[in-house]
Amino acid sequence: DAKTTQPTSMDCAEGRAANLPCNHSTISGNEYVYWYRQIHSQGPQYIIHGLKNNETNEMASLIITEDRKSSTLILPHATLRDTAVYYCIVRVPSNQGAQKLVFGQGTRLTINP
Amino acid sequence: DSGVTQTPKHLITATGQRVTLRCSPRSGDLSVYWYQQSLDQGLQFLIHYYNGEERAKGNILERFSAQQFPDLHSELNLSSLELGDSALYFCASSVADWSVPNEQYFGPGTRLTVT
Repeated sequence: DAKTTQPTSMDCAEGRAANLPCNHSTISGNEYVYWYRQIHSQGPQYIIHGLKNNETNEMASLIITEDRKSSTLILPHATLRDTAVYYCIVRVPSNQGAQKLVFGQGTRLTINP
Repeated sequence: DSGVTQTPKHLITATGQRVTLRCSPRSGDLSVYWYQQSLDQGLQFLIHYYNGEERAKGNILERFSAQQFPDLHSELNLSSLELGDSALYFCASSVADWSVPNEQYFGPGTRLTVT
């Protein structure tokens, strides 16, 4: 699985859009980008994933650059409950046991009132 | 609520003891994964079961073992416990449709404290 680089921490004001960057310059053509978050010792929560195209769901938007070497997770209207550690993970879907998630250090996002 | 349940929520035990952590996956999910989260190691993959069969092993110690039963629930057995085994243990499940990438849904975790 490709390695990812994320800022250690970020702050965002409540109600504003939170933009979390992730660098994955060694990503290969069939690797997907996944985002999870973990709110203080709770189980990680799936947010969104994508391959090439931008994706949007009820939680967030995922913008992947054309060369796929980086991506941005966007929380459009951040609330205090979005304070969490956000993990960017790249992996290949496989039935050969590669379904494990490899978590890095993530970005600690703090939403300020 | 992810639909994945784990019991117990908290477990306190002494060194040298053995414990069993239990996980029930979401309805319809065939894959179960176990992860360990400690302060110094972060979230680490331990093992993956699919429909009762072991599929992949990560950094799982020989003192640890797991199994997935016919009803798809899974148990993680930790034996000869050491202080360093104190951690949060998470179970996750997924549909495991191999033709598409699938997300994992995590349970609330079991906090194990070894004294």
